[in-house]
Amino acid sequence: DTAVSQTPKYLVTQMGNDKSIKCEQNLGHDTMYWYKQDSKKFLKIMFSYNNKELIINETVPNRFSPKSPDKAHLNLHINSLELGDSAVYFCASSQEWFREADTQYFGPGTRLTVL
Amino acid sequence: AQKVTQAQTEISVVEKEDVTLDCVYETRDTTYYLFWYKQPPSGELVFLIRRNSFDEQNEISGRYSWNFQKSTSSFNFTITASQVVDSAVYFCALSADGNNDMRFGAGTRLTVKP
Repeated sequence: DTAVSQTPKYLVTQMGNDKSIKCEQNLGHDTMYWYKQDSKKFLKIMFSYNNKELIINETVPNRFSPKSPDKAHLNLHINSLELGDSAVYFCASSQEWFREADTQYFGPGTRLTVL
Repeated sequence: AQKVTQAQTEISVVEKEDVTLDCVYETRDTTYYLFWYKQPPSGELVFLIRRNSFDEQNEISGRYSWNFQKSTSSFNFTITASQVVDSAVYFCALSADGNNDMRFGAGTRLTVKP
C-alpha cells in the first residue's frame, strides 16, 4: 500500500476553473502538508495542517485552501485557476506537530497544467 | 531564517564514477535536522536520510554516504560507483525552529551515463 497517495496524478484544466487534488496517508500521522514545485524544481511549502491548527505560507493566494475531512486526508482546493498555478503539487505527512525531527513522507505528486 | 544552498545545478558523470552533491545550510537554531530526498524521473520524492545537528558522525548506506560538518555548515552526499539508476534530482532540506517548515534547496540534477 502506498503510504501517501494523491489523485489525480495529472490534471489539465482551463483558466478560471475550480479544481481539487486529493491526498490520503495511511501512516497514522498527525500532520499533513502541501508543497508546490515549480518548473525549476523549486519546492515551496504551502500549508502545514493538523486537527488543531493550520499554518499558511503567506505567499499562497487565498484561492488555495486545504480541506481535511479527517486526519488521514488533506485535500487542496483551488479556485479561479491561473496560468501561474501550473506546477507539480506534493502532499506530505509527518508523525507529529511542530517537531522538526520528524521526517516528512511525500506523495507521488500531481502535475497541474492550466491552459 | 533558514536557507539551503545547492550550488550544483547539474552534474553529469559516467557510470562507476564517484560523485559528491554539495549542500550548504544556514540557520540560527542550535537544534535542527537535515534531510536528503531523491526525485527520480518518475517524479516522486523519496526520503534518503535525516541527520540531527548534534550528531556529526558520518553515515554510510551501501553506495551512499553523507558527510555532515557543522564547522562549514555543510551536509554533502556522495554516491560511490554511480549507476544509471542514480540519475535523479537530489534535494537537500533543513528543518528547524520547531515549525515544521522544511526548507528545500534548489536541487541538483544528477545524470549518470552508461
